[in-house]
Amino acid sequence: EIVLTQSPATLSLSPGERATLSCRASQSVATYLTWYQQKPGQAPRLLIYDASKRATGIPARFSGSGSGTDFTLTISSLEPEDFAVYYCQQRSNWPSFGPGTKVDIK
Amino acid sequence: QVQLVQSGAEVKKPGASVKVSCKASGYTFTNNAIHWVRQAPGQGLEWMGWINAGNGDTKYSQKFQDRVTITRDTPASTVYMELSSLRSEDTAVYYCGRGVSSSWALDYWGQGTLVTVSS
Repeated sequence: EIVLTQSPATLSLSPGERATLSCRASQSVATYLTWYQQKPGQAPRLLIYDASKRATGIPARFSGSGSGTDFTLTISSLEPEDFAVYYCQQRSNWPSFGPGTKVDIK
Repeated sequence: QVQLVQSGAEVKKPGASVKVSCKASGYTFTNNAIHWVRQAPGQGLEWMGWINAGNGDTKYSQKFQDRVTITRDTPASTVYMELSSLRSEDTAVYYCGRGVSSSWALDYWGQGTLVTVSS
């Protein structure tokens, strides 16, 4: 079973700052890595799939990179609506999610 | 537009079963898998299983293997997830999601169904 670790657990930033979120897999997942955003009381929202492809309608300030075991989600300049929890997800023999990174307002 | 609409909240007693529906619209139902993910209060996301809406093939998490059944009604464009032998730890919001890409990303999600298990 592949385990995903996300860091940091919480990221406290101000609007306009750059956010860098990390997701590490316990073994290679190639580029089968997805990022979601979730706000309280809402379903997750797809941001990035196949490690670096932005989903339809996702602003260009969101970008994903990485392959193998190390992945990064970058938000180039935080907007007020970006403060949320971010999950990574992998698919190998069985899909799983990381524990999440909460991005909150400093 | 693509939509997944789930059935309403449920309250069940321990030992009972629950069946949650997920009605798809706005795309060709048989072209995508439908996955089920749950989220306990204040916790992260947990994958339960999925169904290939085209051929009906299913795959379940080992954790739920003996208790979960996912089925589909193709003419109704609806997928069902039934969880049996409920316990308090099954209290969660249950989501369906449409699978896309080689990463099995979920691009559209239902609104979620809260299942509360309480005596």
